Amino acid sequence: QQQVKQSPQSLIVQKGGISIINCAYENTAFDYFPWYQQFPGKGPALLIAIRPDVSEKKEGRFTISFNKSAKQFSLHIMDSQPGDSATYFCAAHGAGNTPLVFGKGTRLSVIA
Amino acid sequence: KAGVTQTPRYLIKTRGQQVTLSCSPISGHRSVSWYQQTPGQGLQFLFEYFSETQRNKGNFPGRFSGRQFSNSRSEMNVSTLELGDSALYLCASSSRPRGDYGYTFGSGTRLTVV
Repeated sequence: QQQVKQSPQSLIVQKGGISIINCAYENTAFDYFPWYQQFPGKGPALLIAIRPDVSEKKEGRFTISFNKSAKQFSLHIMDSQPGDSATYFCAAHGAGNTPLVFGKGTRLSVIA
Repeated sequence: KAGVTQTPRYLIKTRGQQVTLSCSPISGHRSVSWYQQTPGQGLQFLFEYFSETQRNKGNFPGRFSGRQFSNSRSEMNVSTLELGDSALYLCASSSRPRGDYGYTFGSGTRLTVV
């Protein structure tokens, strides 16, 4: 059973546009929601993270929106650039002895 | 500051053989987690170690095992390799058991089973 569902599987965005990736979870014990960015040949790298006590977090062009009641969170990439082309993973972590679980990833292509 | 180092980067093994993968975490990090990444399943959790103790284990068969040494370096072993074990194996380290202080991943070991 997949604990974090991510969509879309792939996304093509024009340069300068907004990229939006969505994730949904069921486990209400999750209390930490990071996003990771992975380039080919590299491991995932932490991009931005949020806790459920805030509804939005912004770092540069990257924003996480969090809807606790809907158990959904999303990543928005403003002014998308070709260098943002990568695979993005949402993840969730719960209290206690639980591992960090990942969505299946979204392959983003930003075209000029 | 050196990152997470995984060796080897690439491996080709024959079905039925066994393999050992190594991970050296960031200096000072005592938590090491292992993930299997495949195109169809994404990142699947294998196990997590903190201070030489296995804290958590994912839903993988007993052929997958791991350990952590006193210097926090970790190894994972896969015995009786199957074709389906072909994947990118990623190691991540963290300063705390919980990943919410930020996991740092290595570049992975690409295992191909033929």
